[in-house]
Amino acid sequence: DQQVKQNSPSLSVQEGRISILNCDYTNSMFDYFLWYKKYPAEGPTFLISISSIKDKNEDGRFTVFLNKSAKHLSLHIVPSQPGDSAVYFCAASAGAAGNKLTFGGGTRVLVKP
Amino acid sequence: GAVVSQHPSRVICKSGTSVKIECRSLDFQATTMFWYRQFPKKSLMLMATSNEGSKATYEQGVEKDKFLINHASLTLSTLTVTSAHPEDSSFYICSAKYVQYPYEQYFGPGTRLTVT
Repeated sequence: DQQVKQNSPSLSVQEGRISILNCDYTNSMFDYFLWYKKYPAEGPTFLISISSIKDKNEDGRFTVFLNKSAKHLSLHIVPSQPGDSAVYFCAASAGAAGNKLTFGGGTRVLVKP
Repeated sequence: GAVVSQHPSRVICKSGTSVKIECRSLDFQATTMFWYRQFPKKSLMLMATSNEGSKATYEQGVEKDKFLINHASLTLSTLTVTSAHPEDSSFYICSAKYVQYPYEQYFGPGTRLTVT
């Protein structure tokens, strides 16, 4: 049973426009959510996170929105840049569970110049 | 800050031999380190959680006798793939977290293992 799902395997967006990545989860014990960016043959890089007590967190071009009632979060990147082309993973943690991360399947983003 | 290194970045070994992968936190003390495996075009699969000075906790389905984990210090964890077989070929990634930021994990660059 996949507890964290990213239903869009890929996304193509024009440079300068907004990229919106979605993530759904099923485990109501998750209380912290993170987004990671990953290039091929490299480890994931932490982008931004949000606690379940918040519904929005912003850091520069990246904003994460959390809708607890819908068990849904999204990552907005604006404006999108060619260097943003990568695979983005959503991850969730249940604080009591040793802070293990459960990852979604990833969304491949391609930003076209 | 929060830099994690892995060594080697690539390794090719013969079937039946053992391979050791090192994971180091370079500028912080890692209370916990994690080992992941990533199959091509798939997500990261957590293999085990490693706390300094204690035995690793393995995820269901991961053979602890095949994937030996040692976390001897607050800056070093090692994963040894014993008696490697071609199906063990994969991309292995470690991560570390520290007390100040209990939720974020910082990842190493990964190790590509190829077993021939």
